[in-house]
Amino acid sequence: EAGVAQSPRYKIIEKRQSVAFWCNPISGHATLYWYQQILGQGPKLLIQFQNNGVVDDSQLPKDRFSAERLKGVDSTLKIQPAKLEDSAVYLCASSLGRGWSSYNEQFFGPGTRLTVL
Amino acid sequence: SQQGEEDPQALSIQEGENATMNCSYKTSINNLQWYRQNSGRGLVHLILIRSNEREKHSGRLRVTLDTSKKSSSLLITASRAADTASYFCATGGETSGSRLTFGEGTQLTVNP
Repeated sequence: EAGVAQSPRYKIIEKRQSVAFWCNPISGHATLYWYQQILGQGPKLLIQFQNNGVVDDSQLPKDRFSAERLKGVDSTLKIQPAKLEDSAVYLCASSLGRGWSSYNEQFFGPGTRLTVL
Repeated sequence: SQQGEEDPQALSIQEGENATMNCSYKTSINNLQWYRQNSGRGLVHLILIRSNEREKHSGRLRVTLDTSKKSSSLLITASRAADTASYFCATGGETSGSRLTFGEGTQLTVNP
């Protein structure tokens, strides 16, 4: 079974530039998550999709971050404009997600390491 | 703010020894999960324990959950060099659906 795919793996940009990350979840997984992991910290949820609808985006800095999952499969996360503090690894995860209170384990992709100069 | 707090922040042991990591959390949960992260395989799910369970085993892993103390522990028995990684607890809250809140992690080093 193919895992969660993410691209690019690494990205270096200057502050105020824009950047986009792509994620393709495991086939059949209804729930997709984007996390931000700053060096030395645990992952922090940015946004959660159930199929193509947003379930939780309470921790997404909406003035600069946006995400979409138009057809309920793959997803993109965009930052515009980037700040120095956005330097982090951006992880995508997916789970079967059968219902709101699902306990399903989450499967993570390899992440995109973003450096903002 | 992070829900879980792992203790210790770092742990160094010899191969063959047991490793115990603890996690404390603040609010009510419906499940608690442990994940491992290393550079080779990224973040990987290890084990899930529900709030009505007290102990769970998976291979060399043993997880306990004490909801009265809002704490959990992960025991790795007979550790191997390949167990070297960061270990995170993640809590699923009662009111937040399937959102997981991760702690800061314990860095485990197993010396050969």
